[in-house]
Amino acid sequence: GENVEQHPSTLSVQEGDSAVIKCTYSDSASNYFPWYKQELGKRPQLIIDIRSNVGEKKDQRIAVTLNKTAKHFSLHITETQPEDSAVYFCAASPHGRALTFGSGTRLQVQP
Amino acid sequence: NAGVTQTPKFQVLKTGQSMTLQCAQDMNHNSMYWYRQDPGMGLRLIYYSASEGTTDKGEVPNGYNVSRLNKREFSLRLESAAPSQTSVYFCASTPAGGFDNEQFFGPGTRLTVL
Repeated sequence: GENVEQHPSTLSVQEGDSAVIKCTYSDSASNYFPWYKQELGKRPQLIIDIRSNVGEKKDQRIAVTLNKTAKHFSLHITETQPEDSAVYFCAASPHGRALTFGSGTRLQVQP
Repeated sequence: NAGVTQTPKFQVLKTGQSMTLQCAQDMNHNSMYWYRQDPGMGLRLIYYSASEGTTDKGEVPNGYNVSRLNKREFSLRLESAAPSQTSVYFCASTPAGGFDNEQFFGPGTRLTVL
C-alpha cells in the first residue's frame, strides 16, 4: 500500500518568514495530494490540494508543488503569521482510493 | 448548517466495555468515514461508507464495527474496548464517492480506555 513520509516533524519560524513542509509518497499511482491544517483541539480542515496533472498550485500565501518523477510534494507558506501556527498533514490517494496521511508537522510561528 | 457533528465529545471507558460513537452530517453527502488519530501519527482510516447501504474496511478495522443508518448518519461501535483504542476519533464526509475530494471533518471524540 501507499506510504507517506512527512518532514520535518516540528518547524519554528519567525513571523514573516517562509515555511516549507515536504512529503514523499511510495505509490506511483497516487494522483491526489491534499494538505490539511489542524489547530490545537480542532478538526482538520483542507487548505489546498493538487492533482497529478499539474505541477504547482497557489492560493494567496499558500502554494503546493508536486514532483511526480521524484514522488514528492511540498507545502510552501509565505509571510507566515501567528495564526498559521498549527499541525499540517499531507496525504496521498491513488485513483480515488483511501487517503494515506503523513505523520504531521507542528508549525510554530514566533511573533 | 451544522456540517458534521459527533457525539459524545469525550468518553472514558473501562477495558471490556462497549460504546457507540455517533456521527451525522446535514450536507447531503453520499460518503462518510471514520478515522482515528494517535499522537505523532496521521489520521488512519477505520471504516468508510461510499454510499448509503455500503460499508468497507479501512486500514485499521479490527475491534470496530460500523452502521450506515441512513444517508445522514454513520456510527462506529466498539464491542469490547481495549486500551489500544484510546485515541481521538474523527468522522468525515464527502459529497461523492472516492477519496479525491475534500473531506469535511467533525469535531472529534476523545476516547480513553482504562
